This record gives sequence, structure tokens and C-alpha cells, in this order.
Amino acid sequence: DTAVSQTPKYLVTQMGNDKSIKCEQNLGHDTMYWYKQDSKKFLKIMFSYNNKELIINETVPNRFSPKSPDKAHLNLHINSLELGDSAVYFCASSQWDPQVETQYFGPGTRLLVL
Amino acid sequence: DQQVKQNSPSLSVQEGRISILNCDYTNSMFDYFLWYKKYPAEGPTFLISISSIKDKNEDGRFTVFLNKSAKHLSLHIVPSQPGDSAVYFCAARDRGSNYKLTFGKGTLLTVNP
Repeated sequence: DTAVSQTPKYLVTQMGNDKSIKCEQNLGHDTMYWYKQDSKKFLKIMFSYNNKELIINETVPNRFSPKSPDKAHLNLHINSLELGDSAVYFCASSQWDPQVETQYFGPGTRLLVL
Repeated sequence: DQQVKQNSPSLSVQEGRISILNCDYTNSMFDYFLWYKKYPAEGPTFLISISSIKDKNEDGRFTVFLNKSAKHLSLHIVPSQPGDSAVYFCAARDRGSNYKLTFGKGTLLTVNP
């Protein structure tokens, strides 16, 4: 039973389109994240939600809009896709606790913008 | 500005020997350090972590050492196995920024049989 799942796994689309990536976790965690791994392989935090509240919002174009309908889901909608958006997007979840830190990652969504 | 640096993009070791992966950081607000392992086409998997108040944490074949004065940590894998071949990411948690994780660029470990 997959702990953190993402759909779709692959996404190929044209520049200018709007697309969404979905993430679900069945670990009962209260915090979820979106990361982007670009062509240089850096893994960078984009957003984080704790109990459906946005707590981390890095310098990301406002074409990217996360939505958390409930604690188990965090979706990422991207408007007007650009070539530079091509990357692997990872969702992660954790139980927020200052004493420990373990994030569980999904398998990633490989986005290619043509 | 890279706050977490993994200066070795790759490392190759023989099966049974020790693998040592290194990581340097600059931010003194980091309070927790983690190592993640990643296979191709999969998400990163948590491996081991260490709090900034400790200098060593061990879990089976994996040991993480933290030298706060040098702002340096290392992951030791003993003995190395071919299944350990993967990309290893060092990450640090920033208590000054809502506990966000900052990742290094990763080191590709290849363990040769």
C-alpha cells in the first residue's frame, strides 16, 4: 500500500497549457510538501501545508498554486506552463514535530514542457 | 547561495569496504540533519538523521557523524553492498524558516561487486 502517491507519473504538455499534479498520503500526517528537482538535480522546497494551512511558500512564480482540500491531499496546479517548468516534482509528507524530522516522499512526477 | 554542499558528485567503492559521504553546511540555524537515498525514477527515501545536539547516530551499517564546529557531517556505510548504489542527499532543517529542509546536490555512490 503506497504511503505517498502522485499522479500522473509522467506529464508531457505544450507551452502555455495549464496542468495539475495530485498527491495523496495515507500515513495520517499533518504536513505535506511540494519539491522541485531541476535539471541540475537540486531538490528545492516550493510549498508546505500544515493542517491545510500554507506555512512555507518559497520564491515560486504565482503560476504555481497549491491546494490542500484536506490533510491527506496536496495538489499542485500550474498555469501557462513554460519550458523552464520542466522538472521532476516530488510530493512529501511528515508529522510535524520539532523533536524529530522525517519526510516521506512520493515517486515523483516527471513534467516535460515542449 | 548553497547552504548545504556535497562537494563530491560521485564516489566509487568496492563491496565490503567503507563508504564515506561528506556534507558541509553554512547556516547555524540548522538543528537537524538527514540523509536520504534515492534510486533512479523513485522518490528519496529517508535513511538516517541526527540532531544538532548530538555528534553521532548509528543505525545498523549506517552511521552519521556531526562536527558542529566545522559545520560538517558525514555518512559512513560499513560494509558497503552493491544494493547501496544510489544517489545520497544530505539535508538540513532550518528552525528559523518554519523547519524547512534544504538539500545538497547529492552524491552518486557506486558499490562495485
